Amino acid sequence: GEDVEQSLFLSVREGDSSVINCTYTDSSSTYLYWYKQEPGAGLQLLTYIFSNMDMKQDQRLTVLLNKKDKHLSLRIADTQTGDSAIYFCAETQSGGSYIPTFGRGTSLIVHP
Amino acid sequence: DADVTQTPRNRITKTGKRIMLECSQTKGHDRMYWYRQDPGLGLRLIYYSFDVKDINKGEISDGYSVSRQAQAKFSLSLESAIPNQTALYFCATSDWDRENGYTFGSGTRLTVV
Repeated sequence: GEDVEQSLFLSVREGDSSVINCTYTDSSSTYLYWYKQEPGAGLQLLTYIFSNMDMKQDQRLTVLLNKKDKHLSLRIADTQTGDSAIYFCAETQSGGSYIPTFGRGTSLIVHP
Repeated sequence: DADVTQTPRNRITKTGKRIMLECSQTKGHDRMYWYRQDPGLGLRLIYYSFDVKDINKGEISDGYSVSRQAQAKFSLSLESAIPNQTALYFCATSDWDRENGYTFGSGTRLTVV
């Protein structure tokens, strides 16, 4: 199976909350990231969480980490049409080259 | 100017042609990477370099080569392009502090006909 898994699509209405989920397999993962890719652009780092944390909040974004279940989520409050993008989950491990493993990305579609 | 600049932005080439994609950065990062993105497959690592004298293969290096000309420049070559190399290619950089993640270029859309 894949090291980092995400569902491929999520559709929400403007103003609702969006929750994008990610599961990973490596229990030694230390840093976990969320990137956003807008159409025609490269990925941009949205936020990260270190493995000794279980929650991190930054304005409309809330990241939750459940280490026991190896589950990471990104909640976007009051979702706007400008949030429509592909969201990638990524993780790095505690040893080795620290090169992140990316999920396949979740396409978030926000309807007016 | 963008922190990570990729040229060209778009390219159409014929099967069998040699093509080079270029990447330059102003971040001052030692680490540079080349990824390709295909719909539904996410990002796959082609090559990476941790400094000017260091080149490493990623998971899909066959059919590709790279050159790290300077700390700021990392180019990707397709020696003999084939249609299944049609994809979106990204260059990225990072420093040694993992909190900052990667900085990506805007990508090169390559079509091999």
